[in-house]
Amino acid sequence: KQEVTQIPAALSVPEGENLVLNCSFTDSAIYNLQWFRQDPGKGLTSLLLIQSSQREQTSGRLNASLDKSSGRSTLYIAASQPGDSATYLCAVSNSMDSSYKLIFGSGTRLLVRP
Amino acid sequence: KAGVTQTPRYLIKTRGQQVTLSCSPISGHRSVSWYQQTPGQGLQFLFEYFSETQRNKGNFPGRFSGRQFSNSRSEMNVSTLELGDSALYLCASSLGFGMNTEAFFGQGTRLTVV
Repeated sequence: KQEVTQIPAALSVPEGENLVLNCSFTDSAIYNLQWFRQDPGKGLTSLLLIQSSQREQTSGRLNASLDKSSGRSTLYIAASQPGDSATYLCAVSNSMDSSYKLIFGSGTRLLVRP
Repeated sequence: KAGVTQTPRYLIKTRGQQVTLSCSPISGHRSVSWYQQTPGQGLQFLFEYFSETQRNKGNFPGRFSGRQFSNSRSEMNVSTLELGDSALYLCASSLGFGMNTEAFFGQGTRLTVV
């Protein structure tokens, strides 16, 4: 049974700092991994999608890496800003599923202090 | 390009009542999946529909049901509401197949059961 874990659960950093969020999963038979951002009481905004055959994806100040063999992904945020404050969630879809289903981690709540 | 639309945004219901939530996916997307988000359990998969067929169902009681129409719009229904059904219900729209399948979420429906 696939399980997704995110560490740390919460993180507080001063503005301008580079930071890394971690995501680990127990079953390496994944189709892809997706990082999302969620603001309080809102829906999820897709940040990056990494296919299982890829090692990393970049979008602006965000870079996500994937190591399937070790069951890990990291989200790197460069030069953090107060507007980056949100909860970050990672989710995987399993290749053995006959449907499209995401399994989520519990998220990392990020606060960037001005 | 219009995003995923969920209606209503907020609902307050009484125990024992039933409720229907609606989701309109991105044009061209044939997969709609539903998730329940609570502070204690995080994001949990409810079910996924693809071309009007339920392909997968999560571990929820039979009070939770859904359907998808020929235009890919989906509804989920919860009957005999319980206090524990209070949650943010999110729907996700995607192509539904392929390694580059990316999920796009709506803003959610906040259901409060009193």
